[in-house]
Amino acid sequence: AQSVSQHNHHVILSEAASLELGCNYSYGGTVNLFWYVQYPGQHLQLLLKYFSGDPLVKGIKGFEAEFIKSKFSFNLRKPSVQWSDTAEYFCAVHMNTGFQKLVFGTGTRLLVSP
Amino acid sequence: DTGVSQDPRHKITKRGQNVTFRCDPISEHNRLYWYRQTLGQGPEFLTYFQNEAQLEKSRLLSDRFSAERPKGSFSTLEIQRTEQGDSAMYLCASSWDVTQETQYFGPGTRLLVL
Repeated sequence: AQSVSQHNHHVILSEAASLELGCNYSYGGTVNLFWYVQYPGQHLQLLLKYFSGDPLVKGIKGFEAEFIKSKFSFNLRKPSVQWSDTAEYFCAVHMNTGFQKLVFGTGTRLLVSP
Repeated sequence: DTGVSQDPRHKITKRGQNVTFRCDPISEHNRLYWYRQTLGQGPEFLTYFQNEAQLEKSRLLSDRFSAERPKGSFSTLEIQRTEQGDSAMYLCASSWDVTQETQYFGPGTRLLVL
């Protein structure tokens, strides 16, 4: 079955530490890739997206992600996290199967300590 | 605020009762999606409308669930004879049918079935 895996369920970092959150998907065809963020008490917001072209995409708030097709991965990175990055991060994949749904990972809860 | 809105934001009901949720998409978005999110999980796709036509339904959507989008604008999701397992956050998203389609999410309706 088509699925999305986020291996880190909880991550705790100190401010200024570097962040990398993993995302892998199981589908061999064309994909569109997304990272969404949910800050405490707020709704899901788009952080960044990849459709085609340069596999390194930049999003809001200094986040970036790299699509590695051979590894079926779309890892999220930030060189220096801030306390305000405390949130839950979801990787989502649209698999070009003719269906429009997004398949989400289980999410990674990030806590940044000041 | 011109984002996706959902009403109510919270609903507590007793097992066996019927509930109805409403979603107002971003204006002029012709696609509308319903997802369900339970604790510790990412959103799971339920159903999708293009204008007023319901084009996709997940097998998660049992016969107790029904969704409508009668005029191609707002949508309703009804759950009949609620069960405790229906307790979840119900999310609505909308998008515009373009090549690089991005889904924008509402704040969700949190349902608790006692």
